[in-house]
Amino acid sequence: DAEITQSPRHKITETGRQVTLACHQTWNHNNMFWYRQDLGHGLRLIHYSYGVHDTNKGEVSDGYSVSRSNTEDLPLTLESAASSQTSVYFCASSESPWAGIQETQYFGPGTRLLVL
Amino acid sequence: EDKVVQSPLSLVVHEGDTVTLNCSYEVTNFRSLLWYKQEKKAPTFLFMLTSSGIEKKSGRLSSILDKKELFSILNITATQTGDSAIYLCAVEAWTGNQFYFGTGTSLTVIP
Repeated sequence: DAEITQSPRHKITETGRQVTLACHQTWNHNNMFWYRQDLGHGLRLIHYSYGVHDTNKGEVSDGYSVSRSNTEDLPLTLESAASSQTSVYFCASSESPWAGIQETQYFGPGTRLLVL
Repeated sequence: EDKVVQSPLSLVVHEGDTVTLNCSYEVTNFRSLLWYKQEKKAPTFLFMLTSSGIEKKSGRLSSILDKKELFSILNITATQTGDSAIYLCAVEAWTGNQFYFGTGTSLTVIP
């Protein structure tokens, strides 16, 4: 069955370290998204991609970067981790190639990141 | 197998109608249930429910959780065209701090 996975599921790191969170989907979806979820804020969009070599900034992109070298993967990198980046991170994917079309996103299980 | 099932998959109503969206779950070590409204790219948080029988309300939206029967409903009264969206249900488990998302209910409100 097609799925979307994230790794690691839990991560503890220190301030200033570079951290990369992996997201892998086997749906063959064009669109992939990274969100962070914080108490009181719900899901906030970090970066998204509509296809290979395409990346776009979301609402809270500062301090994060992504790259899309293939359809299946969209790794999220925290260049220099800060305590404010302690959060739960969700990756999601969707099928439509058209930006802005309302459609269902399929979510990964989440990665809990603690920055000390 | 842990899972979250939403119904109906899609719904078309007229402005002013009341709708009820359903979310049932089978998740080991339930921690909380969350509802989101998804328009275009980013879902918007609506409610977090942890206790049975306590209704959460925000304007025309309300939600309640039944932890015995393992489901939640999201009610929208006096629907408006701006309510058109996909409504996502997610359940958080204590075990592994994992989240399980349903596939969503697509609501279309026509004038």
